Amino acid sequence: GEDVEQSLFLSVREGDSSVINCTYTDSSSTYLYWYKQEPGAGLQLLTYIFSNMDMKQDQRLTVLLNKKDKHLSLRIADTQTGDSAIYFCAEIEGGGNKLTFGTGTQLKVEL
Amino acid sequence: DAMVIQNPRYQVTQFGKPVTLSCSQTLNHNVMYWYQQKSSQAPKLLFHYYDKDFNNEADTPDNFQSRRPNTSFCFLDIRSPGLGDAAMYLCATSSGRAFEQYFGPGTRLTVT
Repeated sequence: GEDVEQSLFLSVREGDSSVINCTYTDSSSTYLYWYKQEPGAGLQLLTYIFSNMDMKQDQRLTVLLNKKDKHLSLRIADTQTGDSAIYFCAEIEGGGNKLTFGTGTQLKVEL
Repeated sequence: DAMVIQNPRYQVTQFGKPVTLSCSQTLNHNVMYWYQQKSSQAPKLLFHYYDKDFNNEADTPDNFQSRRPNTSFCFLDIRSPGLGDAAMYLCATSSGRAFEQYFGPGTRLTVT
């Protein structure tokens, strides 16, 4: 089976960088995603990375993928109060349809 | 501008009383998904449609059914809601399997 694990909480100060980590066990994953969920809202797709990539940068977001260790991270530069939310990593198998979500990391940004 | 729309946003139903949740999309995507998300948990896939082809997850209770009358709409029917079915129900769409999924805002279901 697939297990995707994340640390539950992360607290940072406004302006600092945030790094949210994710580990997964399914080596056949082809796409890995980061979603953001604000309180009472649906999931917003932030970014994704294909499994043959090591890094992807999109404005303040940097995704790093270490396939050997099955480790995925999301770095948010210059973290703002609006970044406070729960962040889910998710994986999808090649040719499959099922997103397997991580446990979610609650990011709290303090002034 | 809304791409995946869910109605209603909040639904209260009585124990055992059938309820239907609605999802519509303006993206013309082939695939539509229904997820259940309980408090402080990750979303859990219930089933999905690839066009008219219905795909049920093995552990989805029989109490949950779905209909997709056309490309734009998909419904989640809960035949006899129990207290344990109280959750946020999320609809998502994608242009094909293994492609990124776009989520609606969710419907929060309360069972009294």
